Amino acid sequence: GAVVSQHPSWVICKSGTSVKIECRSLDFQATTMFWYRQFPKQSLMLMATSNEGSKATYEQGVEKDKFLINHASLTLSTLTVTSAHPEDSSFYICSARGEVSIEAFFGQGTRLTVV
Amino acid sequence: KQEVTQIPAALSVPEGENLVLNCSFTDSAIYNLQWFRQDPGKGLTSLLLIQSSQREQTSGRLNASLDKSSGRSTLYIAASQPGDSATYLCAVRPGQNFVFGPGTRLSVLP
Repeated sequence: GAVVSQHPSWVICKSGTSVKIECRSLDFQATTMFWYRQFPKQSLMLMATSNEGSKATYEQGVEKDKFLINHASLTLSTLTVTSAHPEDSSFYICSARGEVSIEAFFGQGTRLTVV
Repeated sequence: KQEVTQIPAALSVPEGENLVLNCSFTDSAIYNLQWFRQDPGKGLTSLLLIQSSQREQTSGRLNASLDKSSGRSTLYIAASQPGDSATYLCAVRPGQNFVFGPGTRLSVLP
């Protein structure tokens, strides 16, 4: 299957700082990327959907000013957690799909810990 | 709104046993259903993808079935091994994105 690379795999940051997570499609053009969040012992919840060159569509309850998503190219999307707080500590994972295939591929995930 | 549930929440079996994991979804209007494996602190590994027009898919010791009309899928694991220990997630696609179930935590004891 296609490869989606997510970086970093883990990050620890101080409360109040911002953290950027990158999601790259390595061998296909990702027209659509999805960002999910997973709290401990819970399932993955969709945060937002982004199409290349357009503003992201956020799910209800997700603050768009706090979780900035940029999808400026067909191979890269970024999620920036701004002014992070301990309650933002979670596992963030991206998924990408191309224009032709309906199949989506997942990155390895990023474990964010805010102290 | 699509909701996905998985039973059991956790399962512990001795090595060599065959087992079945269950997944239910509330809205049968889906493009496909996919089973994933997630190891602790790791991302997702796709196991099997079943298109809405299909009834089952097989890969090695794994077999997944789909009954869209009843909103159910099962993942059958044959001859379980300790390396199968992980959380198994079921996800449906009503549109572009996935709706995930809460997962079944499987422990296979040597």
